[in-house]
Amino acid sequence: DTAVSQTPKYLVTQMGNDKSIKCEQNLGHDTMYWYKQDSKKFLKIMFSYNNKELIINETVPNRFSPKSPDKAHLNLHINSLELGDSAVYFCASSQDMTSGELFFGEGSRLTVL
Amino acid sequence: DQQVKQNSPSLSVQEGRISILNCDYTNSMFDYFLWYKKYPAEGPTFLISISSIKDKNEDGRFTVFLNKSAKHLSLHIVPSPPGDSAVYFCAASNNNAGNMLTFGGGTRLMVKP
Repeated sequence: DTAVSQTPKYLVTQMGNDKSIKCEQNLGHDTMYWYKQDSKKFLKIMFSYNNKELIINETVPNRFSPKSPDKAHLNLHINSLELGDSAVYFCASSQDMTSGELFFGEGSRLTVL
Repeated sequence: DQQVKQNSPSLSVQEGRISILNCDYTNSMFDYFLWYKKYPAEGPTFLISISSIKDKNEDGRFTVFLNKSAKHLSLHIVPSPPGDSAVYFCAASNNNAGNMLTFGGGTRLMVKP
């Protein structure tokens, strides 16, 4: 039973398209995150939500719009995809905003052609 | 500007020996440090953490050492079975700035049988 699950795992699309990645956690955690792992393998935070409220938005283009319908879900919608958006996107959750122990999903590899 | 650096992209050790992974940071505001382990096609998993009020934390085969004056931490794994072969990420946060983890670029550990 996967704790943090994200779909799809692989996504190949053309420049200019709009796509979404969904994330769900069944751990009962209050806080959820999106991280981006770029081609240099660095993991960088994009957003964090606590109880559906946006907490962190780290210099991410406004083409990226997270949505949290409830505290168990944090979806990522990307408009007008660009080549530089190709990366692996990881969803994660933590008990609350003070816990550094994050539980990550398996990642969604986005390839923009 | 990399605030958390793992200067060794890879490390190779013999099975059963000690593995030592290093991490340096530049932001003196960081007060909480973590290590994550990542297998291919999986998300990172939490290993061990240390608060800046300590200089050592031990959990089973894993020990993390923190040298605040040198802004350096290390992860010791003893012994190292082949199953420990993975990418290890160092991460740091400032608890007063919300739960935002800054990750290093990772070190690929290869444990040879």
